[in-house]
Amino acid sequence: EPEVTQTPSHQVTQMGQEVILRCVPISNHLYFYWYRQILGQKVEFLVSFYNNEISEKSEIFDDQFSVERPDGSNFTLKIRSTKLEDSAMYFCASSELSMNTEAFFGQGTRLTVV
Amino acid sequence: QKEVEQNSGPLSVPEGAIASLNCTYSDRGSQSFFWYRQYSGKSPELIMSIYSNGDKEDGRFTAQLNKASQYVSLLIRDSQPSDSATYLCAVPRGSGGSYIPTFGRGTSLIVHP
Repeated sequence: EPEVTQTPSHQVTQMGQEVILRCVPISNHLYFYWYRQILGQKVEFLVSFYNNEISEKSEIFDDQFSVERPDGSNFTLKIRSTKLEDSAMYFCASSELSMNTEAFFGQGTRLTVV
Repeated sequence: QKEVEQNSGPLSVPEGAIASLNCTYSDRGSQSFFWYRQYSGKSPELIMSIYSNGDKEDGRFTAQLNKASQYVSLLIRDSQPSDSATYLCAVPRGSGGSYIPTFGRGTSLIVHP
């Protein structure tokens, strides 16, 4: 069964360092999303991506964040200069269409900023 | 008003009972509704989707939708300890072709033997 895959599963980084989280969405899906979940809190939307550009982003997704689809399969989230408060689970999701279609999640990357 | 609201719980039910999880949403134009299950430390897993008023059954799960009341619920029959998890209600919001799945805080369900 097709699935969204994310790497790495766990990343530890020092404050101020850049991190890149990687995702391979389901192959025939067109919409891609990044969410984050701080421990004990709700799943929060960061950004959506369609047709090689950002379609929507939340207030959380500031200039420190960027996304890229460098090739036909990968979808990446970059955090330029990590802060302690960036420590969270980061989930990539994809959906075949947008309206009325399910979004499927990868297993997540646990980012710990020390 | 929050877009998607859920009682955080925990909801505790005995094994074999029916667990009832509820969700309300603010956007009257919403047309699709999803339930996800999230085990501790894991990612959300889609378990049910519903688009029309009424009930939709899938095995032990039944989703119920009432658009007039802006209310969607999930019933789990014959609850098992393995059903213990957080259940997330998701309602896509947006317009013009861009719809973002928006999650409630989730309801923690504990099924005790």
